[in-house]
Formats: sequence, C-alpha cells, structure tokens
Amino acid sequence: QVQLVQSAAEVKKPGASVTVSCKASGYTFTAYYIHWVRQAPGQGLEWMGWLNPNNGATNYAQRFRGRVTMTRDTSINTAYMDLSSLTYDDTAVYYCVRDRSENTAEYFQHWGQGTLVTVSS
Amino acid sequence: DIQMTQSPSTLSASVGDRVTITCRASQSISSWLAWYQQKPGKAPNLLIYKASSLESGVPSRFSGSGSGTEFTLTISSLQPDDFATYYCQHYNTYPYTFGQGTKLEIK
Repeated sequence: QVQLVQSAAEVKKPGASVTVSCKASGYTFTAYYIHWVRQAPGQGLEWMGWLNPNNGATNYAQRFRGRVTMTRDTSINTAYMDLSSLTYDDTAVYYCVRDRSENTAEYFQHWGQGTLVTVSS
Repeated sequence: DIQMTQSPSTLSASVGDRVTITCRASQSISSWLAWYQQKPGKAPNLLIYKASSLESGVPSRFSGSGSGTEFTLTISSLQPDDFATYYCQHYNTYPYTFGQGTKLEIK
C-alpha cells in the first residue's frame, strides 16, 4: 500500500532553516507528483508547491518563492522540503502529499503523517 | 489568487440528517474542485474530485455537485463518523487554494 513517512518534529529559531523529508513506498516514486501542504495550529490548509520526482521540476506558490526548495533523491524514494528564513508564522504541521493520478499536479490522495515545525526563540 | 469561500463555517446537525456545505470560488474554476474530510490530529482524506467524482472507498452518502463558481458537498444521512472538518480545494490555476473549512458538529 502507498505510504509516505515523514521526518520527526523540529523546533527552530527565527531566521533558521528546516528540512522535512518524506519517504515514499508502495508505488513507483517517479510516476506521481509530490505536493507540500501546511496547516498552522487551528487553521486551514495551505498549498506550498509541487515536485515532479521524475525530473526534479518544481512549482512553488508565489508567497514561498525564494524561501522554499523542494528536491528528491530517487535512489531512496525520498522527497525533501527546505524552508528558510523561518518566522513564527511558519509554525505549522507540514504534510507531503502524493497526487492521485500519474504525471499530474491536481489534488491530493495520499498524505504523510505530518511533521510539526515549531519556530520559537 | 482564486479565493475559496465555504459556508457555513460551523454546522450543527444530528445523526441521520442530510447536510449540505457550499464552496464558492472567486472566479470560474470549471469542475476543478476537490473535497476533503479532516479529523482532529489527522491528515485530510480525499472524498470528491472533479467536483462530483467519488473517491474509491468513500461511502456513497457523500456526493458533490456544481461547476463554475458554486459547488456543494452533500452528506445524505449523517453517520457518527462524519463529524469532522471539511475543506474544498481548487486546482484550476496556481496557486491551488483551499476554503477555510466547515466544522460539522453534533447537535
């Protein structure tokens, strides 16, 4: 079965960077786009962008451009999301999510368990 | 960016009720809309895609309709497991955006 297993929770200081990993199993990693979606405590969902694991192409939401980098390592079926220049507003649960259909970036079928990133001084 | 507005924000209902949640887009998104259910402390779960297509494994009491700018999610007969928060999401253009959520509570 499809599984996305994310890295453990992180606590970071303002101005620091964080890397969240997402290890995929149960399907062909390079066939499905990976999205990153975040959710601040008690708030709604926010799409950050997608990664095409086949060729490394990315598309970031404008508000994160310059701060977010999405990469992958196909040898270990793992996607990464780096977010830099953290502020308190970046405190959130970060989800990696697999698209429903091959080679498309549309909507979100399989979700990781989420990684809580807390920004605190 | 396309704004997605859900109504109501909170809905109180009883087991067996028929409930409808509305999602409005700030501009036409054709049928490029998905619905998700989220329970506390859990990741969201895909219910509906392309406005009215039921995701595999989702009970048939869930249905979606609409196109353009107005969409609805209907639960025909509420079950205890359905009390959760529901989100709509468009995938018409970038950035993809979600509605603010509708919390379905037990009356």
